[in-house]
Amino acid sequence: GAVVSQHPSRVICKSGTSVKIECRSLDFQATTMFWYRQFPKKSLMLMATSNEGSKATYEQGVEKDKFLINHASLTLSTLTVTSAHPEDSSFYICSARRDRFLASEQFFGPGTRLTVL
Amino acid sequence: AQSVTQLGSHVSVSEGALVLLRCNYSSSVPPYLFWYVQYPNQGLQLLLKYTSAATLVKGINGFEAEFKKSETSFHLTKPSAHMSDAAEYFCAVMFRRGPLVFGKGTRLSVIA
Repeated sequence: GAVVSQHPSRVICKSGTSVKIECRSLDFQATTMFWYRQFPKKSLMLMATSNEGSKATYEQGVEKDKFLINHASLTLSTLTVTSAHPEDSSFYICSARRDRFLASEQFFGPGTRLTVL
Repeated sequence: AQSVTQLGSHVSVSEGALVLLRCNYSSSVPPYLFWYVQYPNQGLQLLLKYTSAATLVKGINGFEAEFKKSETSFHLTKPSAHMSDAAEYFCAVMFRRGPLVFGKGTRLSVIA
């Protein structure tokens, strides 16, 4: 099966610091990776779509300078929350799609719980 | 624009009873439809998906869903609930190669 990992699984940081979250496709090459944010008892909100080697496409209302996304290789995408504030505390989930076929399945990582103090 | 509506944020059933989780979609063209399950503090696991083949789709863990174009629905069912089915369930829609658009989720509780 296709496995997607995220690191770290949990992170606590002080307000004003930056946090980097890694998303890796372990046994396949991901043409596209997605980053979602999930608030408690809420649905997943798509933040951005990233394709390897190109700039990420951010959804409306998502600050691209705040949430930096880098998709440097076909197996790794990173989300950096810059100058984190308590309102950035959330559950961040990435997913990866391994080909460009229609309805190609997205495989989800286990998520990263970010707490900003 | 595509959207997904899940009716009922919380559904509670007895163990052994029928599970029915409702999902309606809005799309100008036939979409691809998905059901995902999420256990606490975990990512999402695909239960099943509809990609314009058979309208009755069978998934993992005994779940199935039927695509009804006339009703724009894709309800998830399971004949007999198990305690292990307690989780959050998300219906999602996808158009072409776009990202998944999720419903707000339905929390399923199973009572012994």
